[in-house]
Parts: sequence; structure tokens; C-alpha cells
Amino acid sequence: QKEVEQNSGPLSVPEGAIASLNCTYSDRGSQSFFWYRQYSGKSPELIMFIYSNGDKEDGRFTAQLNKASQYVSLLIRDSQPSDSATYLCAVIPSNTGKLIFGQGTTLQVKP
Amino acid sequence: DTAVSQTPKYLVTQMGNDKSIKCEQNLGHDTMYWYKQDSKKFLKIMFSYNNKELIINETVPNRFSPKSPDKAHLNLHINSLELGDSAVYFCASSQEHGDISHFGEGSWLTVV
Repeated sequence: QKEVEQNSGPLSVPEGAIASLNCTYSDRGSQSFFWYRQYSGKSPELIMFIYSNGDKEDGRFTAQLNKASQYVSLLIRDSQPSDSATYLCAVIPSNTGKLIFGQGTTLQVKP
Repeated sequence: DTAVSQTPKYLVTQMGNDKSIKCEQNLGHDTMYWYKQDSKKFLKIMFSYNNKELIINETVPNRFSPKSPDKAHLNLHINSLELGDSAVYFCASSQEHGDISHFGEGSWLTVV
């Protein structure tokens, strides 16, 4: 079982729609969860982090964490073509200090 | 002013050669990392240093040797390069261990 799993996609949504990106993780003791965006040929950029169960909002982005289900998601409201990128979920498993990445989900926002 | 800078950005070299990639951060962070991103875009941690001390050393061939002369610099030396070493190598830094906030622009290594 992979430590962090994402559907590689591509996930295609029309402009203005809500894009929902999902991620599951295997270590139940994980405490820190991150979402990065990576444009083709560029480095990952940190979008959001979340530590507690529930929702965390930042502009058009909402991160949702459910530790009981070992599930973290990222919602992007009012999706724009400029949001088209690969979204990487990352988790720090308990007592490791290692940031482990999923394989990423490619998002395509069509005008 | 780039927060995490890597050199070189592109490197094409022959099998068997030895090469180095350098990284510098000006954020005052205590921890620096090397990650490898393969052709399938999967990012995998290789090494982590905290204040010049090696704290994470993943299952990486010993042809790869990191060096941190001070907490703002982390270099990666690769001996006897192989075709499978072709990848993008990202340097990163964080204030808290594991909470990576900044990545370098990446070093594209192609071994021919």
C-alpha cells in the first residue's frame, strides 16, 4: 500500500466550476498535511497546509481533513484555466519528519 | 531575490561521469532537503539536513553523497552516473522539520 495515494487523473472541469481533488494516506498517526501545485516544468508551490480535522479556507481554496477516514481533499472554487496544473498531496507520517508525496492529480480547467 | 536557488538548472552528461548540484537558501531555515522527481513526476525524498547534520538518508545508492557546509547550503554529488539517474532534482527548505515551504527551481539531469 502506498503511503499517500491520489488519482493521477486527468480531472477535467469547466471554467467556473468547483474542482475536487482527493488524497488518502496510510499512516493513521500522521499529523501534518499539505497541498502543492506544480505547473509543467516548474517546481512545486505550497498552496495550503492543514493539521486539524475539518475545513480550512484560503481564498478560492479549501482543504478538508478527515483523520478517521484518513482522507484529505482540496476544493478549488470558481476554477480558472490558470489553475490547470498537477496538484500534489503530501503527508508527514508520525515520528518520521519526512514529507511523503502522492503521485499527483493533473487538473485541466477548460474555458 | 530567489529564496532557494539551485545550480545548474540543466545538466547533460555521459554515463560514468561525476557531477555536483548546488543549493542555497536565504530564508534562514534550519532544514534543507534533496528530492528526486522521476519521469512519472513522482517526488521522492533522498536526504535531509538540519543545521548541517544529516537526519534523513533514504535508500539511495551510495554514489549519491550530500554535503552541507553550513545551514544555508546543501550540495549533492553524484559519482559514476547511470542512465537511471536522469531526473529532476529539487532542493527544498523548511523552518520546521518536514513542513516544506519552499522548493528550488529544480536541476534537470540527463545522463546519456
